[in-house]
Amino acid sequence: GQSLEQPSEVTAVEGAIVQINCTYQTSGFYGLSWYQQHDGGAPTFLSYNGLDGLEETGRFSSFLSRSDSYGYLLLQELQMKDSASYFCAVWRDDKIIFGKGTRLHILP
Amino acid sequence: DADVTQTPRNRITKTGKRIMLECSQTKGHDRMYWYRQDPGLGLRLIYYSFDVKDINKGEISDGYSVSRQAQAKFSLSLESAIPNQTALYFCATSDRLAGRTDTQYFGPGTRLTVL
Repeated sequence: GQSLEQPSEVTAVEGAIVQINCTYQTSGFYGLSWYQQHDGGAPTFLSYNGLDGLEETGRFSSFLSRSDSYGYLLLQELQMKDSASYFCAVWRDDKIIFGKGTRLHILP
Repeated sequence: DADVTQTPRNRITKTGKRIMLECSQTKGHDRMYWYRQDPGLGLRLIYYSFDVKDINKGEISDGYSVSRQAQAKFSLSLESAIPNQTALYFCATSDRLAGRTDTQYFGPGTRLTVL
């Protein structure tokens, strides 16, 4: 089957760094995407890794290792506004498959 | 103005009623999608359409139907609503020219409650 596994919740402190992992049991996909969703809001696109390695966009970075079936989203200099749910996703067979999401709690 | 709009934003209905959720987009994208979101289950694909004449079932299409009236409009129908269809429903679009990223652009969502 196809599935993406993420921790259901992660807690970190404001100003710190946090990593949200995504492991997958699917193959033949083109790349790994990450989306952010605030409470009451819609998911919004954050980043995409089409190749293995690290992609950096400001305070956010994303990493993919196809050989390890693993990726992660790294958030630096955490701010309270980063409190949200984060979803990894892959595009396969003309469809997007989402993980169940990781709820990020940030403590002041 | 929002690029992807959904109507209604909230709806409460009774078991057995027919419900239609509508989605419109001004992004000019050819691909449109309907998802439902339940707590702890993430986003699950109901139906998707790559153009007006193309409709495909997603992961959880039973109990739902769709209509792609135009490139910019994609509606979702619940022919006979049941309580376990209570969820948050999102419409999304993507652009085939985006290639393999298929970045999804989501509407604001419709919160549906079936009593």
